[in-house]
Amino acid sequence: QVQLQESGPGLVKPSETLSLTCSVSGYSISSGYYWAWFRQSPGKGLEWIGTIHHSGSTYYNPSLRSRLSISVDTSKNQFSLKLNSVTAADTAVYYCATYSTSTKQFDPWGQGTLVTVSS
Amino acid sequence: QTVVTQEPSFSVSPGGAVTLTCGLTSGSVSTSHYPSWFQQTPGQAPRSLIYSTNIRSSGVPDRFSGSILGNKAALTITGAQADDESDYYCVLYMGNGYWVFGGGTKLTVL
Repeated sequence: QVQLQESGPGLVKPSETLSLTCSVSGYSISSGYYWAWFRQSPGKGLEWIGTIHHSGSTYYNPSLRSRLSISVDTSKNQFSLKLNSVTAADTAVYYCATYSTSTKQFDPWGQGTLVTVSS
Repeated sequence: QTVVTQEPSFSVSPGGAVTLTCGLTSGSVSTSHYPSWFQQTPGQAPRSLIYSTNIRSSGVPDRFSGSILGNKAALTITGAQADDESDYYCVLYMGNGYWVFGGGTKLTVL
């Protein structure tokens, strides 16, 4: 059973880089699937951030592409998100999830982690 | 820029049926958008209900069904229960690995 857990700083200063990691258990990240990041600003809807395959192939939300980097570390069975030049608008709960290209399904999800951008 | 549309809110009586929709500001939703539906309660991660238009995720009761109705994707809940009161989000595949969520529907059961 695949399980995902997000981790990273809960507070980031404006203009700095937001860095999060998603640890995957119960499944080898190299075995297949893609891996996705989402976010949800307080009281708002969900936003797809981007998706990565263990080969390094990535797909990014065009609205974030210029500030975004998603990478995978197969040795640690983790994948990561880096978003630079953050502002208060990047304050959100960030979720990671498994993505199957064959079924087009995002499932399961991690529990999410709140990142606040503030000085 | 195409926006994914959902009803902001909807209400249903216990035991009743409700259909939530997911549309596009430009064009029609089809199976090629692989519509997915998620249920979310406050403080919780989204739960996958439906993917690829009409396939129920594991453990989802058959009270939940997905379809294409006219030019929109639809989520129908029959026999509504109190714990169906949640936010429901659809997401559509726009091609080239790109997904866009609707703004969500707040469903009230009363």
